Amino acid sequence: KQEVTQIPAALSVPEGENLVLNCSFTDSAIYNLQWFRQDPGKGLTSLLLIQSSQREQTSGRLNASLDKSSGRSTLYIAASQPGDSATYLCAVSKLTGNQFYFGTGTSLTVIP
Amino acid sequence: NAGVTQTPKFQVLKTGQSMTLQCAQDMNHEYMSWYRQDPGMGLRLIHYSVGAGITDQGEVPNGYNVSRSTTEDFPLRLLSAAPSQTSVYFCASSYDRGSSEQFFGPGTRLTVL
Repeated sequence: KQEVTQIPAALSVPEGENLVLNCSFTDSAIYNLQWFRQDPGKGLTSLLLIQSSQREQTSGRLNASLDKSSGRSTLYIAASQPGDSATYLCAVSKLTGNQFYFGTGTSLTVIP
Repeated sequence: NAGVTQTPKFQVLKTGQSMTLQCAQDMNHEYMSWYRQDPGMGLRLIHYSVGAGITDQGEVPNGYNVSRSTTEDFPLRLLSAAPSQTSVYFCASSYDRGSSEQFFGPGTRLTVL
């Protein structure tokens, strides 16, 4: 079974700081890895999707990297803003089977 | 496009009652899935479907049934609700099972008394 871990569980930073969120997974045989944002009481919003053949993806102030061999992904947020406060989740899909596996998320608070 | 829609948004049931959570998508996605989200446990897959007429179990299928008669709809049925099924339920869809982006509905918050 694929295990997905996100550390830290919670993070608090001052506005303007650059930050990195971590995601690790135990089985490197993956199709892709996806980062999501979840606001309280809401559904998940897709941020970035990295295919297994890619090393990174960028969208605006967000940059996600993937190192399959070490089973790690990072989400880099530049110049953080209070509106970035949310829970960030990563999910991986394996090459075998039909399931996506989620981490438990990192709760980010950006302090004005 | 409406994306992935779920109804109802909130529901309270008594133990033993049955109900159906509705999920629909208008993106012509083949892959659809149901998750439950519980504090400290992340999202866990209940059932999924790789196309109309094809469904399979995920990690936590007990107490739930699904069917997929059309590409657009993927309802989740609770047969006899139990307090352990109190959770937030999310439906998701993607073009295929592995390589494409998943899109999520807004969720249904279910309480079983």
